Amino acid sequence: ETGVTQTPRHLVMGMTNKKSLKCEQHLGHNAMYWYKQSAKKPLELMFVYSLEERVENNSVPSRFSPECPNSSHLFLHLHTLQPEDSALYLCASSPSRDTGELFFGEGSRLTVL
Amino acid sequence: AQSVTQLGSHVSVSEGALVLLRCNYSSSVPPYLFWYVQYPNQGLQLLLKYTSAATLVKGINGFEAEFKKSETSFHLTKPSAHMSDAAEYFCAVSDIGKGGKLIFGQGTELSVKP
Repeated sequence: ETGVTQTPRHLVMGMTNKKSLKCEQHLGHNAMYWYKQSAKKPLELMFVYSLEERVENNSVPSRFSPECPNSSHLFLHLHTLQPEDSALYLCASSPSRDTGELFFGEGSRLTVL
Repeated sequence: AQSVTQLGSHVSVSEGALVLLRCNYSSSVPPYLFWYVQYPNQGLQLLLKYTSAATLVKGINGFEAEFKKSETSFHLTKPSAHMSDAAEYFCAVSDIGKGGKLIFGQGTELSVKP
């Protein structure tokens, strides 16, 4: 079983759909992250959760809504997305916010039509 | 504000040749520095990290990096490239004192020719 698991690996959705990305970590970590990876751009930090509390929201549009029901699970709820939101969404976890050492999942490739 | 610059979006080397991937950082406080690797269709994996101990840091798969404060650099090297090293490499800087937020560079794609 891998440390950080993301589902689905691929998702195609229309601009009016509602979908969710799921992340689960089996490492006993206290912090979880969502990153957006677009072609030719640096990784963009979207959200940070520490001990299930959102501690950072990097000016992400409200059409992205995170949820962290417990320290092992992280969701990214998607609704009324735009084509420019098509990207690879990476989930990561770390023992705490202060280590800088992240463990990444394999990502969810999102295409918005 | 912290930032990271990776020189060269694409580097190509022959198998067995030296690998040198360049990273320069900007930070107002002593930084923590990281190199991550991303193989095709996978997430990022930590290669090595500098956290103010030894300036020469050894990582996995034979990679190492040297922290040079005077040059604000943290270049990644490997003496002999292997075909399996083909991947994208990301340098990152973190200000641990402010919540450990990682700032990533734009990445360097490494190709290895037989």
